Amino acid sequence: EPEVTQTPSHQVTQMGQEVILRCVPISNHLYFYWYRQILGQKVEFLVSFYNNEISEKSEIFDDQFSVERPDGSNFTLKIRSTKLEDSAMYFCASSEVSGRLGKNIQYFGAGTRLSVL
Amino acid sequence: DAKTTQPPSMDCAEGRAANLPCNHSTISGNEYVYWYRQIHSQGPQYIIHGLKNNETNEMASLIITEDRKSSTLILPHATLRDTAVYYCIVSLSGNTGKLIFGQGTTLQVKP
Repeated sequence: EPEVTQTPSHQVTQMGQEVILRCVPISNHLYFYWYRQILGQKVEFLVSFYNNEISEKSEIFDDQFSVERPDGSNFTLKIRSTKLEDSAMYFCASSEVSGRLGKNIQYFGAGTRLSVL
Repeated sequence: DAKTTQPPSMDCAEGRAANLPCNHSTISGNEYVYWYRQIHSQGPQYIIHGLKNNETNEMASLIITEDRKSSTLILPHATLRDTAVYYCIVSLSGNTGKLIFGQGTTLQVKP
């Protein structure tokens, strides 16, 4: 069964450093998402991406964050200068269809645990 | 976006049916009801969705009331591996399809 793949599974970084989290969505999917989950808290939407541009972003997704689809398979989330409060589990998801067009089943990766020291 | 209300936790005996309720009284006519679950900090996993009619798949059944203001997810024969947080989501905002997760229901399946 096709799945969303995320690497690395755990990333440790120093405060102020840049990190790139990588995702390989399911191959025929067109809509891509990043979510995060701080330990013990809800899963929070960060950004959605379609047709090589951001469709929507949350208040969390400030200028320190960026997303990119550098080739036909990868989808990345970059945090330019990490802060302690960026420590969280980051989930990538993909779907064939967006919410506006009807049913929207999102498939999630296993996540990357980001630890900022 | 339509808001959902779920009990924070439930227990279920292994092998018995688990019935997880969700209230979504402000749901609009074209919003689907989705259920996802998250097993111990893994990525959320899609379970089932519906619009008006009851639905069944290999994982679960979804019962939606006629007025669509509430629904119940049924796991017919719960196993220990079904212990997870279950999320009922009814709001797909705008044209992006973002999922808005609440706190969900923590289902503990006990031997």
